[in-house]
Amino acid sequence: GAVVSQHPSWVICKSGTSVKIECRSLDFQATTMFWYRQFPKQSLMLMATSNEGSKATYEQGVEKDKFLINHASLTLSTLTVTSAHPEDSSFYICSARDLTGAVSGANVLTFGAGSRLTVL
Amino acid sequence: QKEVEQDPGPLSVPEGAIVSLNCTYSNSAFQYFMWYRQYSRKGPELLMYTYSSGNKEDGRFTAQVDKSSKYISLFIRDSQPSDSATYLCAMRSNAGNMLTFGGGTRLMVKP
Repeated sequence: GAVVSQHPSWVICKSGTSVKIECRSLDFQATTMFWYRQFPKQSLMLMATSNEGSKATYEQGVEKDKFLINHASLTLSTLTVTSAHPEDSSFYICSARDLTGAVSGANVLTFGAGSRLTVL
Repeated sequence: QKEVEQDPGPLSVPEGAIVSLNCTYSNSAFQYFMWYRQYSRKGPELLMYTYSSGNKEDGRFTAQVDKSSKYISLFIRDSQPSDSATYLCAMRSNAGNMLTFGGGTRLMVKP
């Protein structure tokens, strides 16, 4: 089936620094990728929709200057948490859908393994 | 009221039991229904995917969709300790590109 790779899986950083998380679709092309945030024992909260070659669409309440999204190619989207603070500590998960259905069903959303960010 | 409601649990069952997980929803436009399993500190993985109403079976897992009642279920037969995880229902409409998730149900299968 379709595979989405996320890197790093775990990162610790100091307050005020920026952290970049990569999301790659390994065996399919994804014009759209989604970034979620998940707090402990809670469900996924959609942060933004990443569109290849254009600006990301952010959900209400998500600061676009804080969470920079770049979708430079059909297989890579990046999320950069700028000037991170302890309240940004969370589990960030990306997902993508293989629209051709060549690898998995055309309407199946495949998730990455997630990236756990801890800001000290 | 949330668009998708799911009992958070935790649901604790003995090994071998039949597990029933459920979600209700309010948006009649939803056509695609999925169940994801998420182990602790991991991303969700797709278990079952159903379009519109009906049943779908895959091994020990059966997904049911009742659009008239806006109710979906996931049944797990002969549950195993390795089934212990959080189960998330998700759904979307034909036109929409985004999934709407339930809050997840935490399942614990005890040996």
